[in-house]
Amino acid sequence: AQSVTQPDIHITVSEGASLELRCNYSYGATPYLFWYVQSPGQGLQLLLKYFSGDTLVQGIKGFEAEFKRSQSSFNLRKPSVHWSDAAEYFCAVGPQGGATNKLIFGTGTLLAVQP
Amino acid sequence: DAGITQSPRHKVTETGTPVTLRCHQTENHRYMYWYRQDPGHGLRLIHYSYGVKDTDKGEVSDGYSVSRSKTEDFLLTLESATSSQTSVYFCAISVNRRAENGELFFGEGSRLTVL
Repeated sequence: AQSVTQPDIHITVSEGASLELRCNYSYGATPYLFWYVQSPGQGLQLLLKYFSGDTLVQGIKGFEAEFKRSQSSFNLRKPSVHWSDAAEYFCAVGPQGGATNKLIFGTGTLLAVQP
Repeated sequence: DAGITQSPRHKVTETGTPVTLRCHQTENHRYMYWYRQDPGHGLRLIHYSYGVKDTDKGEVSDGYSVSRSKTEDFLLTLESATSSQTSVYFCAISVNRRAENGELFFGEGSRLTVL
């Protein structure tokens, strides 16, 4: 069955420290991959996406993610975290050539940022 | 701002009562979605719509119905609310039905509590 796993439910980092949020997927073929961010009391916003080509993709707010086919992973990174990055982060996968209604979301990782 | 308004934003109701949540968009996009968000489950698709009077079931549609009589409005109805439907409900829209083009834009959510 297709699935996406975010193994870390909650992560705390210090402001200025680097960040890596993990995302692993199980899919029949190379999927489309997304990272969304949800600020408190808000809906989700797309950070970045991967469809093909360069496996390192850049997104908004200084985030990047790397697709590693051999590890079935799409981890989100940021070199220096800001207090405003405190939010919940969701990884999502979808079928290549498929419809948006087929997106599968992970359970989310809640990021806290210490001053 | 994707021009999505959800109402009500908060609602407390009793088991067995009907509840309707409204999603209104100002962008005239064809594709609209209702998700529920629960701890440990991430976002799960309830129903979606590809146009006026064109709706279909998602992953967790039991106990829910939808209607779309106008492009701008997508209604989610719980005919007889149960405690298991306590959740945060998100409406989303996309410009395109294909995942690679269909970035989801989310509303701010409707928090429903069923006592």
